[in-house]
Amino acid sequence: ETGVTQTPRHLVMGMTNKKSLKCEQHLGHNAMYWYKQSAKKPLELMFVYSLEERVENNSVPSRFSPECPNSSHLFLHLHTLQPEDSALYLCASSQASDRESTWQGYTFGSGTRLTVV
Amino acid sequence: AQKVTQAQTEISVVEKEDVTLDCVYETRDTTYYLFWYKQPPSGELVFLIRRNSFDEQNEISGRYSWNFQKSTSSFNFTITASQVVDSAVYFCALREVDSSYKLIFGSGTRLLVRP
Repeated sequence: ETGVTQTPRHLVMGMTNKKSLKCEQHLGHNAMYWYKQSAKKPLELMFVYSLEERVENNSVPSRFSPECPNSSHLFLHLHTLQPEDSALYLCASSQASDRESTWQGYTFGSGTRLTVV
Repeated sequence: AQKVTQAQTEISVVEKEDVTLDCVYETRDTTYYLFWYKQPPSGELVFLIRRNSFDEQNEISGRYSWNFQKSTSSFNFTITASQVVDSAVYFCALREVDSSYKLIFGSGTRLLVRP
């Protein structure tokens, strides 16, 4: 039990489908993140939410649409994806703290393995 | 610009060998934080260590040790007497102070420990 739960674990979708990835944490964290992990590439930060507000959007295509309804839940809505979007999508959470010296880093979920066909 | 380089894409060792994973970083900040994470086949990244830029003491935790060299911008990770369960992808990451809690990751090193 990592404290951050992602569903589904695996998803296969066609290019015309609409689906959503879900992330849930009950660690009391107030910042949540979406990362994309493609084969042989560094982890790519997609979105950052802090206190339920989006604070970063790293030039992600509009076919990816995040939603953070509360501090415990984060969604990634997908539509009209491309085969190159196939990857492991990782959610993470952390405590957004003013006290830098106490920041403990991220807690990650196990990811959703997405295949676009 | 901030950047993390893990030059070793894959390392293969035999059980009980020692292995060092390299990490070199670039940053313009004088205060920053370095991390190592382990990603087993199950997928989730597991936190191993955090090091502050103002604390250059090396650290040992069981079979794991970390060598922080500010002069060479390196934060290397050594596993002593490796075990099969150490097989995973290991990521080094950097966070600058004013980065909205954003971690920049290296591309990872895949470690295979053979019996």
